[in-house]
Amino acid sequence: EAQVTQNPRYLITVTGKKLTVTCSQNMNHEYMSWYRQDPGLGLRQIYYSMNVEVTDKGDVPEGYKVSRKEKRNFPLILESPSPNQTSLYFCASRGAGYGYTFGSGTRLTVV
Amino acid sequence: DAKTTQPTSMDCAEGRAANLPCNHSTISGNEYVYWYRQIHSQGPQYIIHGLKNNETNEMASLIITEDRKSSTLILPHATLRDTAVYYCIVRAHNQGGKLIFGQGTELSVKP
Repeated sequence: EAQVTQNPRYLITVTGKKLTVTCSQNMNHEYMSWYRQDPGLGLRQIYYSMNVEVTDKGDVPEGYKVSRKEKRNFPLILESPSPNQTSLYFCASRGAGYGYTFGSGTRLTVV
Repeated sequence: DAKTTQPTSMDCAEGRAANLPCNHSTISGNEYVYWYRQIHSQGPQYIIHGLKNNETNEMASLIITEDRKSSTLILPHATLRDTAVYYCIVRAHNQGGKLIFGQGTELSVKP
C-alpha cells in the first residue's frame, strides 16, 4: 500500500531533550515536507525537500532541522525542544501526480 | 498563492449531496484548484484537483466556473464518514511544493 509512515504517533518529552520524528514514504516521491498544525493557526510548513540532499526552510523552521540522505526518508529533528513546539506534526510527500500524501500525524507534547 | 474563501461550517443530511463552495477570485491562469479534507486530526487527504474543466473521480466532483473565480466540491451521497474539514487550495504545479492551507469548511453530515 502506498503510504507515508510517521513514528512515533504520540510523544511526550521534556524541554531540551533531543528527539527525532521519522518519516518514510514507499512511493519513490522526490518531494517531501513537514507541517505542524496548531489550533487557530492551521497547517504551516516547517521544512521541505525537493530531492535527496536538497532541503529548504518553510514558514516556521526555527527550532527544527531536517535531513534527506535517501529518497524515502525525511526525519524531523528537534535539537532542544521547547514547550512552544507542542503540536501535531504531519509529513507529506508528492510525486508526479500532483496530489500530496500525508502521514497519520505525530502528536508531540513538550513539558 | 491565490487566497481562497470558504464558509466556516456547513451541515448536510446523510445520503444527500454536499456542495462545498470556494471563492478564489485572484487565481492565476496557471494555478490549479485542489481539494483536501482532514478527518479529526488525521493527515489531510487529497480529494481532487482541476484547472478549468469539471472533474470527477470516485470520491467527488469538482465544478469550476467559466471565469475560474470560484468552484464547488460535490460529494454526491454524503455519509457520516464524510464529516471533516475540507480545504480548497490553489497553486501552480511548478511553484515548488508548499500547500497553503486556509481555515477550511467544517462539514457535519447528520443522520
